[in-house]
Amino acid sequence: DQQVKQNSPSLSVQEGRISILNCDYTNSMFDYFLWYKKYPAEGPTFLISISSIKDKNEDGRFTVFLNKSAKHLSLHIVPSQPGDSAVYFCAARAGANNLFFGTGTRLTVIP
Amino acid sequence: NAGVMQNPRHLVRRRGQEARLRCSPMKGHSHVYWYRQLPEEGLKFMVYLQKENIIDESGMPKERFSAEFPKEGPSILRIQQVVRGDSAAYFCASSPDGGYGYTFGSGTRLTVV
Repeated sequence: DQQVKQNSPSLSVQEGRISILNCDYTNSMFDYFLWYKKYPAEGPTFLISISSIKDKNEDGRFTVFLNKSAKHLSLHIVPSQPGDSAVYFCAARAGANNLFFGTGTRLTVIP
Repeated sequence: NAGVMQNPRHLVRRRGQEARLRCSPMKGHSHVYWYRQLPEEGLKFMVYLQKENIIDESGMPKERFSAEFPKEGPSILRIQQVVRGDSAAYFCASSPDGGYGYTFGSGTRLTVV
């Protein structure tokens, strides 16, 4: 039962343009959402998060948008840089200790 | 301040052997989480431990898998009688307060041959 879904396994974007990574969820009890970035042979690194009581959180080039009615969130990266090339995981928490992760989207930023 | 340390980075075991995966949390972190990533899948929660206590093991397979976080030393994820389906990347994370602010280690890649 995949409660967090990332339907795009991969995304390619030109350097300098906007990258938009999408994530859908099914559990309305999720109260916190996070994005992690993962390079090969490394563990996931926390990138940005958003509480369910907000609809937007911005940190530098990264902005996360939450649409609770649609059970959808997205990560915007602008401008995209080659160093942003990685796998991005969406994750959600339902007030407990564990996170539910999506299957990831591999972002490739083309110089 | 070293991050979350996992060892070994790579572990090869024959079917039926035991696998022991170690995780040393960040300094000052007393909450440890284990996740497993199967090929082409996202990370799946396995177990959450504090020192000497298992808080939530709802993601652990009922047989062959166990975890501990002793008062002294690293957290250990133990898999007995490994099978090919146990081949995966096992990630440990730690946090100072049980909140969402996990720091992940680099993982142990277990291959069962």
